[in-house]
Amino acid sequence: SAVISQKPSRDICQRGTSLTIQCQVDSQVTMMFWYRQQPGQSLTLIATANQGSEATYESGFVIDKFPISRPNLTFSTLTVSNMSPEDSSIYLCSVEDGGENYGYTFGSGTRLTVV
Amino acid sequence: GNSVTQMEGPVTLSEEAFLTINCTYTATGYPSLFWYVQYPGEGLQLLLKATKADDKGSNKGFEATYRKETTSFHLEKGSVQVSDSAVYFCALAQPTGSARQLTFGSGTQLTVLP
Repeated sequence: SAVISQKPSRDICQRGTSLTIQCQVDSQVTMMFWYRQQPGQSLTLIATANQGSEATYESGFVIDKFPISRPNLTFSTLTVSNMSPEDSSIYLCSVEDGGENYGYTFGSGTRLTVV
Repeated sequence: GNSVTQMEGPVTLSEEAFLTINCTYTATGYPSLFWYVQYPGEGLQLLLKATKADDKGSNKGFEATYRKETTSFHLEKGSVQVSDSAVYFCALAQPTGSARQLTFGSGTQLTVLP
């Protein structure tokens, strides 16, 4: 299975600022997914990021608020822009593992608190 | 669209008790089914999976069988331990096509008491 390094693991940010979260994968993957997990809730997909194309956002999420970069097949960033306390959540990246190890691997998550 | 309905929590059990967490799904075609576990303060770990009807996924004493006739993938363990205390998520994904992301259930908080 792929191994994902996600940074930062946690941060406390002032409202109105932006935070960029990075995910580095140890192998080349076609699709990367970004999820949000609000306190005590399940995971909600923010967007799917394919290398070389614009990310595809789910309903309720927009590029101006959550810009995503995918410069190559092993790396992606998610920026949470103009933050408010409602953005306090855990943000996770994920990749699809193929072949015999089919499944989905997750980064360790970024625990964001906006004050 | 795809959806997953998971047993409401929280669930509190005594050590060595039998565990069942119900999960049913709605999807077109033949999705793959997963159980993920999230220990306190940690990310998600794949617990087990099944990719076709009647497959049984198993890991660490946990089992779940892909039942297409009842669209279910219930998680079971015969004897839980305190270390099993975590949040459990049922999820599905379509293995082909452009929309291959996971769709999650609401999660079930399990607490096992000594």
